[in-house]
Amino acid sequence: QIQLVQSESEMRKPGASVQVSCKASGYSFTSHGISWVRQAPGQGLEWLAWMSIYSGYKEYSDNVQGRASISADTSTGTVYLELRSLTSDDTAVYYCAREELGATSAFDYWGQGTLVTVSS
Amino acid sequence: DIQMTQSPSSLSASVGDRVTITCRASRPISIYLNWYQQKPGKVPKLLVSSASNLQSGVPSRFSGGGSGTDFTLTISSLQPEDFATYFCQHSFTAPRTFGQGTRVDIK
Repeated sequence: QIQLVQSESEMRKPGASVQVSCKASGYSFTSHGISWVRQAPGQGLEWLAWMSIYSGYKEYSDNVQGRASISADTSTGTVYLELRSLTSDDTAVYYCAREELGATSAFDYWGQGTLVTVSS
Repeated sequence: DIQMTQSPSSLSASVGDRVTITCRASRPISIYLNWYQQKPGKVPKLLVSSASNLQSGVPSRFSGGGSGTDFTLTISSLQPEDFATYFCQHSFTAPRTFGQGTRVDIK
């Protein structure tokens, strides 16, 4: 079955960096794009970044442009999100989500979420 | 950037009620609109893609509609398991913005 399994929770100090991973299985890894979405405590969903695994093309939200890097290792079927210069505003649950092959590329499968806590 | 505005931000309803949630895009997005349901402490679940395409396994009491800038998610007869927060999201271009969410509570 299709699964996206994310790395465990992380705690960082302000100014540090964090890398979250998302290992995909059960489908053709290069056929679907992957996005990262986060949710701060008690808040809504915020789209952060997207990558076409097939082409390597990447897109980022203005909020994390220049601080975030999305990458993929096709040999292991794993997607990564690195976020640098962390502040308390980056405290959130981070989700990876697979894009369906339909016309509007909705997110049909999600990882279980990784809590990133930024605190001094 | 395209902004997505949902209304209402919360509502209280009873089991059996018909509920409609509205999502408005700040500029036309054709049918590049998706709806998700999220229950407390759980991962978001895709309900509707391409504005009106109900996902496999989603009950038929859910329906989506609209195109351009105005979209709706309707629950024809609210069930106890439908109490949750609902998010719209566009996928027209980057950034693929979500609406702020609509929380559906028990009256």
